Amino acid sequence: QQQVKQSPQSLIVQKGGISIINCAYENTAFDYFPWYQQFPGKGPALLIAIRPDVSEKKEGRFTISFNKSAKQFSLHIMDSQPGDSATYFCAAVLNTGKLIFGQGTTLQVKP
Amino acid sequence: KAGVTQTPRYLIKTRGQQVTLSCSPISGHRSVSWYQQTPGQGLQFLFEYFSETQRNKGNFPGRFSGRQFSNSRSEMNVSTLELGDSALYLCASSLAPGSNEQFFGPGTRLTVL
Repeated sequence: QQQVKQSPQSLIVQKGGISIINCAYENTAFDYFPWYQQFPGKGPALLIAIRPDVSEKKEGRFTISFNKSAKQFSLHIMDSQPGDSATYFCAAVLNTGKLIFGQGTTLQVKP
Repeated sequence: KAGVTQTPRYLIKTRGQQVTLSCSPISGHRSVSWYQQTPGQGLQFLFEYFSETQRNKGNFPGRFSGRQFSNSRSEMNVSTLELGDSALYLCASSLAPGSNEQFFGPGTRLTVL
């Protein structure tokens, strides 16, 4: 199974709140898990990524939590800002380099 | 360092026509992948090229094809266009096959009437 399941489909958060997006996978051949951020009219941009031998990675306000046994990973955006409003995609990379995307989450941060 | 460039940015075609989209990767990047993005299906992998050879292919009909040139620039072609081919076509480049970090261009918005 090469699917990556992402939830929720959409998310509304107040400014300063925490945004949480979850993803799950089945294929153990995935060996890299990036998150992409996409603004309207733009291509996806790599935001943060993690390898399965690490349980957490933090870059500024963005944190990935990774649970290898549960085959789940999540993105936490702390102190969410209106400028964070975008569509977020989790993804998983096969050891061949093929990138499989989740369905995307549209985040709206209200001022 | 210039990013991935895609041309044209917007395209309108009618059913039955064919279209060619172009992608120039980041300088030094030799692997190019193509994706189709639609509201219903999300981001779906089309194919990947390296050293002018197709390395991976997604589950798309043979109407979708591509190629890569010696300077790593890539083109994708869609023949006999269908309404359902309307989508944002994204190109991503990476240093080499199997490289985890892919950098996306702004995409070509194709509308089929």
